Amino acid sequence: QKEVEQNSGPLSVPEGAIASLNCTYSDRGSQSFFWYRQYSGKSPELIMSIYSNGDKEDGRFTAQLNKASQYVSLLIRDSQPSDSATYLCAVNNSGYALNFGKGTSLLVTP
Amino acid sequence: GAVVSQHPSWVICKSGTSVKIECRSLDFQATTMFWYRQFPKQSLMLMATSNEGSKATYEQGVEKDKFLINHASLTLSTLTVTSAHPEDSSFYICSARGGGQPYEQYFGPGTRLTVT
Repeated sequence: QKEVEQNSGPLSVPEGAIASLNCTYSDRGSQSFFWYRQYSGKSPELIMSIYSNGDKEDGRFTAQLNKASQYVSLLIRDSQPSDSATYLCAVNNSGYALNFGKGTSLLVTP
Repeated sequence: GAVVSQHPSWVICKSGTSVKIECRSLDFQATTMFWYRQFPKQSLMLMATSNEGSKATYEQGVEKDKFLINHASLTLSTLTVTSAHPEDSSFYICSARGGGQPYEQYFGPGTRLTVT
């Protein structure tokens, strides 16, 4: 069974701080990794994708991938209350499907 | 770019009736569409994968005769919940790939189904 593991949280950070979200996966053959943000009652929104080892930055978001350790993370700099949401880690599966983690709930407090 | 729409956004139906949900890719051709279900405070559950012009592939435990999926064109997939029961009440979300990198999926806004 291919697994994608995330700490369910909630992860609470003060406004302006860096939020660090982590994800581990079991399938060494995975090549594509994604972070989705899901607000309560809404559908997921793709915020970052990463395909090679190292860091990828997009605005306040940085995705980090370490395939040797089977670990992918998302850093959110200068966290804002509007970043409060559930963050889903997703890893490619067979037949173009994605394997989603259960998500980490992030709460940014003013 | 990569916009996916769903209709309706919410629906209430009586037990025993059928409900059809539409999923459209608005600005790209969706070679594959996916249907998910999400219960309150739970994670996404993939129900089925559909490719244009072929039969959907259902995940284990999902009744294909109850959840009918049609992917008739590269921009439209439909999910029909047949003989709905209160336990089918859930948030149904479609996603589509084909608008970017091979594995990128773009989600529709979801359909909230309530069966009374």
